[in-house]
Amino acid sequence: DAGITQSPRYKITETGRQVTLMCHQTWSHSYMFWYRQDLGHGLRLIYYSAAADITDKGEVPDGYVVSRSKTENFPLTLESATRSQTSVYFCASSEVPLQRGNRGADTQYFGPGTRLTVL
Amino acid sequence: GENVEQHPSTLSVQEGDSAVIKCTYSDSASNYFPWYKQELGKGPQLIIDIRSNVGEKKDQRIAVTLNKTAKHFSLHITETQPEDSAVYFCAASEAGTALIFGKGTTLSVSS
Repeated sequence: DAGITQSPRYKITETGRQVTLMCHQTWSHSYMFWYRQDLGHGLRLIYYSAAADITDKGEVPDGYVVSRSKTENFPLTLESATRSQTSVYFCASSEVPLQRGNRGADTQYFGPGTRLTVL
Repeated sequence: GENVEQHPSTLSVQEGDSAVIKCTYSDSASNYFPWYKQELGKGPQLIIDIRSNVGEKKDQRIAVTLNKTAKHFSLHITETQPEDSAVYFCAASEAGTALIFGKGTTLSVSS
């Protein structure tokens, strides 16, 4: 039972480089999310996806790109990394049936996180 | 949009004491309120949640209460143990939207 995994766990890169953080879940959950965690800000939503090929912006999407070609994968790309993107990134997933009146985020299961440092 | 305020930011208690963490939310349409525990170096883990049609929920030593009129909800931990030391996050969401988290409370339980 692998659950939800993230790779790499640690990454150091330089300003201007492209970086992709991977997220994989084995539960076939419909929803997947990317958060960043910074001191004093808690967890802030970057992007989320309700299903394959459906993505939407969260609170802090600028500088990030996501895709969801397969249900189980939800990669996050920093197209041109900046120092302000130094953070711990968490991926999460949830199983919410797309039923009438129950479209929302439900119990979310988090991955172990990726610590990204941009020099 | 939704805004979640969480207090206190740090909380220190003696082993065996109770701990209470409080959160307020702004959007009256929010109907789901989970609490997460995050240990050092790990991702947040759900410990308890409550929905807007329920006023209180208990699970062994932890309980959550919800006051929809006042738009606040609280986490209660009784008989605290050193292993309860962690960062706790509250969150709120409305059907069709993602979770909005509070900024977290660092709980320290000393023996």
